[in-house]
Amino acid sequence: DSGVTQTPKHLITATGQRVTLRCSPRSGDLSVYWYQQSLDQGLQFLIQYYNGEERAKGNILERFSAQQFPDLHSELNLSSLELGDSALYFCASSVSGWTAAAYNEQFFGPGTRLTVL
Amino acid sequence: AQSVTQLGSHVSVSEGALVLLRCNYSSSVPPYLFWYVQYPNQGLQLLLKYTTGATLVKGINGFEAEFKKSETSFHLTKPSAHMSDAAEYFCAVRESDGGSQGNLIFGKGTKLSVKP
Repeated sequence: DSGVTQTPKHLITATGQRVTLRCSPRSGDLSVYWYQQSLDQGLQFLIQYYNGEERAKGNILERFSAQQFPDLHSELNLSSLELGDSALYFCASSVSGWTAAAYNEQFFGPGTRLTVL
Repeated sequence: AQSVTQLGSHVSVSEGALVLLRCNYSSSVPPYLFWYVQYPNQGLQLLLKYTTGATLVKGINGFEAEFKKSETSFHLTKPSAHMSDAAEYFCAVRESDGGSQGNLIFGKGTKLSVKP
């Protein structure tokens, strides 16, 4: 158990809908990362938040957005869903992010499997 | 920009045999490299990492990897495979372009099967 929790475990929805995925980081971790794992694209970084602020963006679609709340949990919002958005969405957390002096290990949650029908 | 290539999407070994999973990276700066393991229906677990210092890195479950700068490789090995090693393995490099805050760039993954 990594200490990172994600809900729900599974989500089945229809095209055009909007869903929200939730992530609670490990106690004390300030950074949250979101990744998407799909068969064709593999594991891709979407976005990172640090202590409530967006810090880095990857291959995140404009239909997707995220935020990190004062209690440090994070939500990933996916809207106007398409069949191709079906994937496993992982959240990871770390103490901070990265500095030149040190790297903080990322701990991954169990993921949310999204199926768009 | 950094990238990771894992050679072989599927590797099959017999129980007790050597495990070798290949990873090559591309990075314009000294890389931080990682191997993660994903068991079925689970998240990713860090096996080992290379940041600086000793190029032979030992991880959990008897795995180790060697950073070879001249070959831009970070291959994962285990002397003797166990049935419980069957999983998917991902090699990753830390993003280090401007604006990055430590996110990871992953390879496509290698699925390891262990035959009895």
